[in-house]
Amino acid sequence: EAGVAQSPRYKIIEKRQSVAFWCNPISGHATLYWYQQILGQGPKLLIQFQNNGVVDDSQLPKDRFSAERLKGVDSTLKIQPAKLEDSAVYLCASSVPQGASEAFFGQGTRLTVV
Amino acid sequence: AQSVTQLDSQVPVFEEAPVELRCNYSSSVSVYLFWYVQYPNQGLQLLLKYLSGSTLVKGINGFEAEFNKSQTSFHLRKPSVHISDTAEYFCAVTTGFQKLVFGTGTRLLVSP
Repeated sequence: EAGVAQSPRYKIIEKRQSVAFWCNPISGHATLYWYQQILGQGPKLLIQFQNNGVVDDSQLPKDRFSAERLKGVDSTLKIQPAKLEDSAVYLCASSVPQGASEAFFGQGTRLTVV
Repeated sequence: AQSVTQLDSQVPVFEEAPVELRCNYSSSVSVYLFWYVQYPNQGLQLLLKYLSGSTLVKGINGFEAEFNKSQTSFHLRKPSVHISDTAEYFCAVTTGFQKLVFGTGTRLLVSP
């Protein structure tokens, strides 16, 4: 079965610019996650969707980050404007909506803000 | 809220030696525990998980972990490592439908 697809793989932007990341989850996975992984740290959840509804966005910097999941399938994560500290790998993951189901991760998008 | 502590940021080991990567968690309710591996420039891949039942869990690539409720630990072990096991290992915890919380990771460095 196809895995979680993310694009682009790499992105370099200047501070104050905007950027968007795309994620296509595994078919049939109703739960979708966006994680931020800063170098040397573990992944931190930014937002969790159940179908196209938000379950948890408590750690999403809402003044600059936004995310949407149209029709409960693909998702986009946007940063506007970007700051230097946003440099990180952005990981998308998906799972079936069961209590302790495995989350399947994409390869991530490495963002560098200069 | 639950949390995870991985005490060792880096573990160097020689090929064919045994290894243990330590993970301790904190939670006021029952938890589910996971170990993920991340190879360079890759996403995370599940190694093993503890949901319930036997406290000794076997995973892929010869890894196993033991859930110890009294010690609130879920240490990862492998009796004989290979060069290809060099990667970053993350312990994670969830209470169910809540978010998966990751530790800061342990870099396993296997040398010949």
